[in-house]
Amino acid sequence: GAVVSQHPSWVICKSGTSVKIECRSLDFQATTMFWYRQFPKQSLMLMATSNEGSKATYEQGVEKDKFLINHASLTLSTLTVTSAHPEDSSFYICSARDGTSGLQYFGAGTRLSVL
Amino acid sequence: GENVEQHPSTLSVQEGDSAVIKCTYSDSASNYFPWYKQELGKRPQLIIDIRSNVGEKKDQRIAVTLNKTAKHFSLHITETQPEDSAVYFCAATWGSGGGADGLTFGKGTHLIIQP
Repeated sequence: GAVVSQHPSWVICKSGTSVKIECRSLDFQATTMFWYRQFPKQSLMLMATSNEGSKATYEQGVEKDKFLINHASLTLSTLTVTSAHPEDSSFYICSARDGTSGLQYFGAGTRLSVL
Repeated sequence: GENVEQHPSTLSVQEGDSAVIKCTYSDSASNYFPWYKQELGKRPQLIIDIRSNVGEKKDQRIAVTLNKTAKHFSLHITETQPEDSAVYFCAATWGSGGGADGLTFGKGTHLIIQP
């Protein structure tokens, strides 16, 4: 099946620093990738939709200047959490949409801890 | 936007019995309804999905039913086994391929299989 690679799997950073998370589709082209956030014991909440070659679309309440998304190629999208604060600590998961089947495949997630 | 309600939040069943999880959605334009299984700290895994032109779909011990008129869909697991213990999420979206938009998730059901 389709594979989506997400790195890093776990990151600890100091408050005020920036963290970049990568999401790659390994064996298919993904014109669309999605970024979700999941707090402990809660559901996944869509943060933004990342389209290759264009600006990301952010969900209501998600700060676009804080969560920078770049989708420079058909296999790579990055999420940068800028000036991270402890309240940004969460599990961030990407998914990539296979342009042929239309199905979404999830990355393994990144656990961000901001001290 | 879409809103997905999921019940129950916790479900405990005896091994070998059946489990049913129910979801309702609000947007009549939604036409793709996947179910995901997520183990602690891991990525969601697609276990079954259904499109709006189908009323029921079955895959071995797992089945999903969809009632478009009532805007609800259900996951049925028969002959439950200990390895079925996990958190299950329903989701809804629209798109010809099954995932043009990001997924709107239910809050999840923690399924516990009692030995």
